[in-house]
Amino acid sequence: RKEVEQDPGPFNVPEGATVAFNCTYSNSASQSFFWYRQDCRKEPKLLMSVYSSGNEDGRFTAQLNRASQYISLLIRDSKLSDSATYLCVVNRGTSQNTGNQFYFGTGTSLTVIP
Amino acid sequence: NAGVTQTPKFQVLKTGQSMTLQCAQDMNHNSMYWYRQDPGMGLRLIYYSASEGTTDKGEVPNGYNVSRLNKREFSLRLESAAPSQTSVYFCACRGTLTEAFFGQGTRLTVV
Repeated sequence: RKEVEQDPGPFNVPEGATVAFNCTYSNSASQSFFWYRQDCRKEPKLLMSVYSSGNEDGRFTAQLNRASQYISLLIRDSKLSDSATYLCVVNRGTSQNTGNQFYFGTGTSLTVIP
Repeated sequence: NAGVTQTPKFQVLKTGQSMTLQCAQDMNHNSMYWYRQDPGMGLRLIYYSASEGTTDKGEVPNGYNVSRLNKREFSLRLESAAPSQTSVYFCACRGTLTEAFFGQGTRLTVV
């Protein structure tokens, strides 16, 4: 089973729409959670961290459900500039043997249409 | 502040050739990583280094070697390139309790 699973999409939504992405992770020992954004032919960049209580950054809201091992990202009032691939990322934390490993989902493609 | 710098940005190799991908970070982070990204596969960890002097295999290490030369530099070597190694390679670094920062990537084609 993959460490992190995401619906690859694509999601095609009109400007102004609300869109939600979901992600599940397999290892209950995972400690840190992130959403990254990747534009075409560019490197991934941090969009936001995901905290246990949920957190919001402008039009973006991230939620974590540890019991269900589930992470979500909600984008409200979509803009054309939101078109990108969104990567769910899980980190198990640091140990002597495993280091500080990140696990990436395959990404969900979003296109916002005028 | 350059962050994470990878060289080269593009490379075409013939099957069997060798090359080294270079990565340097000026963020003073302990952990460094090499990933490859292929369509439909997401980013897969090749090797990582938790600190200077240590390296460990990730998910897809076969065909690669790495060197953590010092805290700043982490290189990835392909000893005998194969077409299956055609991919986009990303180097990343991370400090304690921070997110991962990525280089701009190296697009490698093996013909």
